[in-house]
Amino acid sequence: DTAVSQTPKYLVTQMGNDKSIKCEQNLGHDTMYWYKQDSKKFLKIMFSYNNKELIINETVPNRFSPKSPDKAHLNLHINSLELGDSAVYFCASSLSVGSGGELFFGEGSRLTVL
Amino acid sequence: GEDVEQSLFLSVREGDSSVINCTYTDSSSTYLYWYKQEPGAGLQLLTYIFSNMDMKQDQRLTVLLNKKDKHLSLRIADTQTGDSAIYFCAVRPMNRDDKIIFGKGTRLHILP
Repeated sequence: DTAVSQTPKYLVTQMGNDKSIKCEQNLGHDTMYWYKQDSKKFLKIMFSYNNKELIINETVPNRFSPKSPDKAHLNLHINSLELGDSAVYFCASSLSVGSGGELFFGEGSRLTVL
Repeated sequence: GEDVEQSLFLSVREGDSSVINCTYTDSSSTYLYWYKQEPGAGLQLLTYIFSNMDMKQDQRLTVLLNKKDKHLSLRIADTQTGDSAIYFCAVRPMNRDDKIIFGKGTRLHILP
């Protein structure tokens, strides 16, 4: 069983489209994250949810909207896609805020905007 | 400067030791991590150290922490071709909404 799974693994789409990436974790963790990794492999946090509540919201265009229907799922919806949105998006989870626990990452979703 | 800094590239001969260095700015960092990313994969935790420790050893891996200088290093003994990857230093400062801050990653290249 994959601990943190995200779909789709690859996504190729045109500028202006709207797309979603889904993430699920079966580790029983309370906190989930979305990270963006650009072409230079730099990793930046975008959002974090703890028990369905948004706790980290970095400076991200409001075209990006996370949704957490329950603590095991954190989805990322992106409206009006732009060329600069091309990247690998990683979902991750960890134990509760303050636990100091490690992040468990999914395998990434590579988004290519044409 | 950046919260977490590390050099972007390191080349090491197979069998030698690799030392990857990292500096950070937030002295309240309680947990400090090393993650490994192989091509096409997500990040995996290699090892971590608590801020009240100076050193941690785990098989071929040795982590050294100098809190005064805010310097963290990862030593890989007897470097093998399978160690070729990007290594990310990361810190978890206190009171920053449980955010883990990553460095830009050091790409370790193994020479035959």
